[in-house]
Amino acid sequence: DQQVKQNSPSLSVQEGRISILNCDYTNSMFDYFLWYKKYPAEGPTFLISISSIKDKNEDGRFTVFLNKSAKHLSLHIVPSQPGDSAVYFCAASARGVNNDMRFGAGTRLTVKP
Amino acid sequence: GAVVSQHPSWVICKSGTSVKIECRSLDFQATTMFWYRQFPKQSLMLMATSNEGSKATYEQGVEKDKFLINHASLTLSTLTVTSAHPEDSSFYICSAELYQETQYFGPGTRLLVL
Repeated sequence: DQQVKQNSPSLSVQEGRISILNCDYTNSMFDYFLWYKKYPAEGPTFLISISSIKDKNEDGRFTVFLNKSAKHLSLHIVPSQPGDSAVYFCAASARGVNNDMRFGAGTRLTVKP
Repeated sequence: GAVVSQHPSWVICKSGTSVKIECRSLDFQATTMFWYRQFPKQSLMLMATSNEGSKATYEQGVEKDKFLINHASLTLSTLTVTSAHPEDSSFYICSAELYQETQYFGPGTRLLVL
């Protein structure tokens, strides 16, 4: 079953504007959430994470928001740059259980110059 | 949506034994599958790229004789950890490519080597 869902397979944004990537999950046991970025022909690289005790985590241009009641998280990239063009995967784990990750299907972000 | 399964979901084995992990694309054919290993503190490491009917392409530093990958059909790839040691204990994840740059991840396999 798809415990982590990214319903938008693609997103196109103009350079300098905000990119918002969304992710929904179904398992209430998940307490740690991550975003990975993947360039073609490379493995995913860790981008940013958030624990369920927080509702926001910021790292430079990247901010992740967590809405536990809605079981929803989002990644904001401001300002977007052409180098941000990649596939973004959200992942979730239940650290209190076994720490194993579940991934979404990914969203391809294209930032146009 | 596309579904990828892994079996087993977790396995405990003795040091020196071999363990086989299966990765299946349930409702689509995947010419390319990928194997990853999750290291502590979140990082995923790409181990190898598996193409149906041909030899897998291993990433630098991954021992191909230790981590045997077979992609015998368009819906199945297997990873065999040979002569497993405690340092091989990890979380192994596969993904299957539906079309270019669209990967669906399996639920992972937790391996514990005693």
